[in-house]
Amino acid sequence: EAGVAQSPRYKIIEKRQSVAFWCNPISGHATLYWYQQILGQGPKLLIQFQNNGVVDDSQLPKDRFSAERLKGVDSTLKIQPAKLEDSAVYLCASSSTQGGGMNTGELFFGEGSRLTVL
Amino acid sequence: GDSVTQMEGPVTLSEEAFLTINCTYTATGYPSLFWYVQYPGEGLQLLLKATKADDKGSNKGFEATYRKETTSFHLEKGSVQVSDSAVYFCALKDNDMRFGAGTRLTVKP
Repeated sequence: EAGVAQSPRYKIIEKRQSVAFWCNPISGHATLYWYQQILGQGPKLLIQFQNNGVVDDSQLPKDRFSAERLKGVDSTLKIQPAKLEDSAVYLCASSSTQGGGMNTGELFFGEGSRLTVL
Repeated sequence: GDSVTQMEGPVTLSEEAFLTINCTYTATGYPSLFWYVQYPGEGLQLLLKATKADDKGSNKGFEATYRKETTSFHLEKGSVQVSDSAVYFCALKDNDMRFGAGTRLTVKP
């Protein structure tokens, strides 16, 4: 079974530029997450999708960050304009949904996209 | 809101030493609890989990017991190996997955 795919693995941009990250979850996984992991910290949830609907985006800085999952499969996360403090690893994860809409719990993570903002 | 607090690192141990990494949580509901591990250069992967009080999760010699009375989920291993060197994250899941700050473990030969 193929894992969660993310690209690009590394990106270096200057502040005020824009960047986009792509994620392809495990086939059949209805729930998709984007996390931000700053060096030395635990992952922080940015947004959670269930199929193509947003479940939780309370911690997404909506003035500069946006995310979409148009067909309930792939997802993109965009930052525009980037700030120095956005330097982090952006992790995509997915999980399956049992009958009745309950998540099984385990999240499967991609290898992440490391962003450096200069 | 829900949160996880885990012991700060880094932790350095000699091979075959006993390991404990403390984790406590705050939650309004009845979350599932997890330990994830991140080996050098790799992505996060599930180490073990427990879905209800008194459950014990175990994997690769690691164990953790869901203690509702003390709101804890401490990670233990009786004899660590050099290959266990990694960053360990405690996490809880109610509506969404929340992680602790991580504890870096280094095991020396």
